[in-house]
Amino acid sequence: QSALTQPASVSGSPGQSITISCTGTSSDVGGYNYVSWYQQHPGKAPKLMIYEVSNRPSGVSNRFSGSKSGNTASLTISGLQAEDEADYYCTSYTSSSTFVFGGGTKLTVL
Amino acid sequence: EVQLVESGGGLVQPGGSLRLSCAASGFTFRNYNMNWVRQAPGKGLEWVSYISGASNVIYYADSVKGRFTVSRDNAKNSLYLQMNSLRDEDTALYYCARDCGFGYAIDYWGQGTQVTVSS
Repeated sequence: QSALTQPASVSGSPGQSITISCTGTSSDVGGYNYVSWYQQHPGKAPKLMIYEVSNRPSGVSNRFSGSKSGNTASLTISGLQAEDEADYYCTSYTSSSTFVFGGGTKLTVL
Repeated sequence: EVQLVESGGGLVQPGGSLRLSCAASGFTFRNYNMNWVRQAPGKGLEWVSYISGASNVIYYADSVKGRFTVSRDNAKNSLYLQMNSLRDEDTALYYCARDCGFGYAIDYWGQGTQVTVSS
């Protein structure tokens, strides 16, 4: 159950777009469309931003989008805003009937 | 309004046991699969366990298999995590979390209960 690989940090200026990658294997990210993304502000519980690779829950801004190619999933945030500054985690179902999170990415809005 | 309220955390010595509880309200509990997810201080999220609405499907992370047991009481709208043979590395904030029903995603989280394993 190795963690999915995410960059430790990314940054961007307000209004810009950034992309966070999430790399796994054919036994998790590449094998299923069960990739989700979560946003976590300091001291708060995580918030679901994307489910099933590219679907946005009701209430989540359309500035957030998800995609997948092979064993790598991606979260793109367009039109960066100060409130987007947070930690972001990907997760996937695995062939072992378990779930694995990425190590997390700290997004800094410059 | 969906609410998940965890309890039962605390300080325990290595090798000890704790039972976490999660009281659910604001939705039909038996219709939803549930998870426990933990977060060590300053670290990332780690999935711990999953249980289906009818308790007929249960999964565990390798790191807790054989030591932790998840269960639920749908009549009491409650989720539980029995934790035995606790280790230092089990120290974390434990979240109760609801599966939204689409792709195993989690749509609601509690605020967590702190478990500290230390001598």
